[in-house]
Amino acid sequence: DVKVTQSSRYLVKRTGEKVFLECVQDMDHENMFWYRQDPGLGLRLIYFSYDVKMKEKGDIPEGYSVSREKKERFSLILESASTNQTSMYLCASSRLAGGLLRNEQYFGPGTRLTVT
Amino acid sequence: AQKITQTQPGMFVQEKEAVTLDCTYDTSDPSYGLFWYKQPSSGEMIFLIYQGSYDQQNATEGRYSLNFQKARKSANLVISASQLGDSAMYFCAMRERSNYAGNNRKLIWGLGTSLGVNP
Repeated sequence: DVKVTQSSRYLVKRTGEKVFLECVQDMDHENMFWYRQDPGLGLRLIYFSYDVKMKEKGDIPEGYSVSREKKERFSLILESASTNQTSMYLCASSRLAGGLLRNEQYFGPGTRLTVT
Repeated sequence: AQKITQTQPGMFVQEKEAVTLDCTYDTSDPSYGLFWYKQPSSGEMIFLIYQGSYDQQNATEGRYSLNFQKARKSANLVISASQLGDSAMYFCAMRERSNYAGNNRKLIWGLGTSLGVNP
């Protein structure tokens, strides 16, 4: 079974703090993703990585950065947290399989971040 | 315009009954795939079922089946014999062959349907 773990289920940070969200997968997947989920807005892709040290911007990268130093680990960084970054953050991974439409993503349990 | 529309924000079903969750999609790409995911209150998104645009038969996975009507651009999820553990948010998503950027074929998500199962 694919397992994707996230470092925290709940996190409370103050405005202006630097925040690290960690994600680890154990299935040797090439692709890893960070999404944020907000009521009424659904899932929105923040960043995507298809290999170590490779990253691509998603739909809403502003205010975020990412790091992928090892294949199994993908970190989301909020350089200076703001209240509008209060959200549920979901990490996912998948095989590279670039030509396949059926390439399901496997998700972690999510981190509910509150910025006060 | 929304590419994935889930018209039922919330619904309830009686335990052991079947329920249909609606999903309509909009694409001009002849090659695409449709996914359904379940998100229980614990937060983790769980992949349920996949339908490819060229698949000849409707997809089935255990109690889940997909009522795929290509001409109507709908891919409704049918859950048979509902169980209390089926209470969750359900998301429909689509991937198009042409929507390829940066080594990724992007998943486009609907806003979800909240399903409650009554005992």
